Amino acid sequence: GDSVTQMEGPVTLSEEAFLTINCTYTATRYPSLFWYVQYPGEGLQLLLKATKADDKGSNKGFEATYRKETTSFHLEKGSVQVSDSAVYFCALSESGGSQGNLIFGKGTKLSVKP
Amino acid sequence: KAGVTQTPRYLIKTRGQQVTLSCSPISGHRSVSWYQQTPGQGLQFLFEYFSETQRNKGNFPGRFSGRQFSNSRSEMNVSTLELGDSALYLCASSPSPRASGSTDTQYFGPGTRLTVL
Repeated sequence: GDSVTQMEGPVTLSEEAFLTINCTYTATRYPSLFWYVQYPGEGLQLLLKATKADDKGSNKGFEATYRKETTSFHLEKGSVQVSDSAVYFCALSESGGSQGNLIFGKGTKLSVKP
Repeated sequence: KAGVTQTPRYLIKTRGQQVTLSCSPISGHRSVSWYQQTPGQGLQFLFEYFSETQRNKGNFPGRFSGRQFSNSRSEMNVSTLELGDSALYLCASSPSPRASGSTDTQYFGPGTRLTVL
């Protein structure tokens, strides 16, 4: 079945450091890809998404490019802030058939130190 | 526009009891999906409702059920609670049913934290 694999955490960075969180997927069809963020004690917030190959999603300085050839959707940010500390989830959703629900990776906890 | 709301935010129950959780979607959204989040299993899809009909179901036992009302509000019910049902239950809404192939973004509520003792 479809699945998402993302790098294990936790990831600890200093403020203004460069962030990469790796995400790869397995899907039988052509999925849409998402990054969600969960702050402590809260639900999930959509960070960015891409619906087809080579699309780049971006929001709040975060970026991710849908790479069909490597089945990847890595999350990057050039300069992290303390306020970026949260758990990040990579997810996919197939765009056809009886599927459509989100399939999530295990999550990567990011801690940013001042 | 108000976001997805879930009530209650916290619940403590004992084994064998049953529980009902409520979700009000974003105004105009007619699809509601439920997810369970646990430290061991991560985020897992429970079911999706659209137009008062269950459109898709995850791999959970029959103790987990749900329904949707004509105003799109949804409830999920867990009967005969087990310790392993302790989790954060998240509700998400979107305009169209994802089971139909829609790529609409799902917007999540803050969740209900259920603890089973």
